[in-house]
Amino acid sequence: EVQLVESGGGLVQPGGSLRLSCAASGFTFSNYAMSWVRQTPGMGLEWVSTISGSGGSTYYADSMKGRFTISRDNSKNTLYLQMNSLRAEDTAVYYCAKYQRFMDVWGKGTTVTVSS
Amino acid sequence: DIQMTQSPSSVSASVGDRVTITCRASQGVSNYLAWYQQKPGKAPKLLVYAASSLQSGVPSRFSGSGSGTDFTLTISSLQPEDFATYYCQQANSFPLTFGGGTKVEIK
Repeated sequence: EVQLVESGGGLVQPGGSLRLSCAASGFTFSNYAMSWVRQTPGMGLEWVSTISGSGGSTYYADSMKGRFTISRDNSKNTLYLQMNSLRAEDTAVYYCAKYQRFMDVWGKGTTVTVSS
Repeated sequence: DIQMTQSPSSVSASVGDRVTITCRASQGVSNYLAWYQQKPGKAPKLLVYAASSLQSGVPSRFSGSGSGTDFTLTISSLQPEDFATYYCQQANSFPLTFGGGTKVEIK
């Protein structure tokens, strides 16, 4: 069964950092690009970042560029999102998703709350 | 950035009704358009990709159409499990962008 499980969310103060992880199983992880998508409370979906299967290409939403870093460890079948300089507006549920232009498999999400 | 505009933002319908949701892109996205369904507290689920291709396991009452800038998701006969929020997403270019969502509610 194809599965994605996010972890690493929590409460962090403004200006702080957090690293999210996404453990993948049930498919050949290195063959697929992966994405992070977030959803703020009661709002819609916002794409955050995408990384190619090899990790050699990365893409970011403008509002996250320079603050967030996507990476992957194909030997561990794990995707990461390092988030620095966090702001209140980064409070959201963060989902990882398998990406083939479209996001065909999603994790259940991990909640990040940025508050003092 | 390509802006995606969905309409309506919400629709009230009854079981058995035909429901149509539209999505308009601010510039052409060819057929690189997906539709997702999201239920409260759950992750989105891919329904349709490449504008009109049904994802495996999705009931045939769902269908997608369109190309370029105008797209449609149709539910031919609404079922109780279809009450949810639906999002379109363009995959033509980065940054990927989603529509604002359409909430399908019980009438």
